Amino acid sequence: EADIYQTPRYLVIGTGKKITLECSQTMGHDKMYWYQQDPGMELHLIHYSYGVNSTEKGDLSSESTVSRIRTEHFPLTLESARPSHTSQYLCASSDFDGADTQYFGPGTRLTVL
Amino acid sequence: AQSVAQPEDQVNVAEGNPLTVKCTYSVSGNPYLFWYVQYPNRGLQFLLKYITGDNLVKGSYGFEAEFNKSQTSFHLKKPSALVSDSALYFCAVREGGGYNKLIFGAGTRLAVHP
Repeated sequence: EADIYQTPRYLVIGTGKKITLECSQTMGHDKMYWYQQDPGMELHLIHYSYGVNSTEKGDLSSESTVSRIRTEHFPLTLESARPSHTSQYLCASSDFDGADTQYFGPGTRLTVL
Repeated sequence: AQSVAQPEDQVNVAEGNPLTVKCTYSVSGNPYLFWYVQYPNRGLQFLLKYITGDNLVKGSYGFEAEFNKSQTSFHLKKPSALVSDSALYFCAVREGGGYNKLIFGAGTRLAVHP
């Protein structure tokens, strides 16, 4: 079944650690996105990609970085986590189908102590 | 510039009653409009979209939305609410064509009481 996956679902780490949040989709979508969302609050686009080797920064400034080496994989990395990075991170993908409907993964809840 | 507004932070409705979650938008050209639902500790789940055609769009779980061009609105509706509909609902808009980004509203929390 075509889907979008995120791992880990929950992560608690200490300040200064390097972390990578994984996102993979099996829908063959070209476009992928990362959003940051505080619980129950609005979404903020932090990164997006239109295809392999394409990455762009979103509307909200973020200290994270992304890469897109394979179509199905769009990992997000924080080189040195801080408590201000505590949030929920949502990955999404869409296709060039005219509507550009985005489909979301289950999210990663990150807590930095 | 594109924008979307959800004027109500929270909507309360009794189970079995009809529900409406409001959304208004602003785009320069033709709007592509979406509704998503988010349950606690989950990602957003696509409910329905309007691209063109019939102004009344039917989606998942008995939800529907009506596109009103003159009022620039895209309200989400359901004839009979269920307690399990309680969740956070997001409206989103994108200007059709090109590489325009999807803009999300701030979200409306729907509480359905037994």
